[in-house]
Amino acid sequence: DAKTTQPTSMDCAEGRAANLPCNHSTISGNEYVYWYRQIHSQGPQYIIHGLKNNETNEMASLIITEDRKSSTLILPHATLRDTAVYYCIVRAPANAGNMLTFGGGTRLMVKP
Amino acid sequence: GAGVSQTPSNKVTEKGKYVELRCDPISGHTALYWYRQSLGQGPEFLIYFQGTGAADDSGLPNDRFFAVRPEGSVSTLKIQRTERGDSAVYLCASSLMPAGGEDTQYFGPGTRLTVL
Repeated sequence: DAKTTQPTSMDCAEGRAANLPCNHSTISGNEYVYWYRQIHSQGPQYIIHGLKNNETNEMASLIITEDRKSSTLILPHATLRDTAVYYCIVRAPANAGNMLTFGGGTRLMVKP
Repeated sequence: GAGVSQTPSNKVTEKGKYVELRCDPISGHTALYWYRQSLGQGPEFLIYFQGTGAADDSGLPNDRFFAVRPEGSVSTLKIQRTERGDSAVYLCASSLMPAGGEDTQYFGPGTRLTVL
C-alpha cells in the first residue's frame, strides 16, 4: 500500500472547520483513501473513504485531488469531542491484501 | 447494531504467564483482524482471518503469539510466556470482505495488556 504523509499536529477553534491534509503521491489507480480517528483510550473509528470522487457523510467530507496524490478531510464544524488522532490510510481493494497500515497520524486539538 | 466487542478491557499479568484475549466481531463479518498498539504509536497489524483460516499471519512477532477462530466468528489471541515488551493495547477489527472492491474495517475498543 502507498505511504501517506500527514502533519504531526493541528489546532482548530471550536465551531470552525477543521481541514486535515494528507499526501499520498505514490497512490496506485485501484487504491482507496481511508480516514480513521482515534479518541484517547478508544479503538480507531472509521470516518470516510473514497477512490476518485469527493465524498460526504454525516461525519465529514473527503476531498481528493484530481491526480489523487493528496486529499483533505474536512470536519465542517469541529467540536471538542473531535479532538483525536486522525489517520489517513491508502489501501488496495479487499482482494489485494487486507491489512491497514497506520502511520503517525495528525493529532487534532479542538480548542474552545 | 452491536459493534466489535473485546474482553477483557484490561488484563494485568506477570512475566512468563499465559494470556488469552477475546474478540467478538460484528455479526455476519467474515474477515477478522488483530492489531497491536504500543503507547504513542499507530496500530500495527498482527494477523487476519478469512472465515476460520488465518489468511495472513505475517505480523505476528514470534511463535509465542497465536490466534484461532474455530467457528468463523469469535477469535482468541493467545500469548505464551508473556514478556514486558508485550504490554500494549490489542485491537480487533472485522469487515464484511466482499469479493473485490472496497472493504471497511470496524474496530473494537481494545484490550489493554500490562505485563509486570
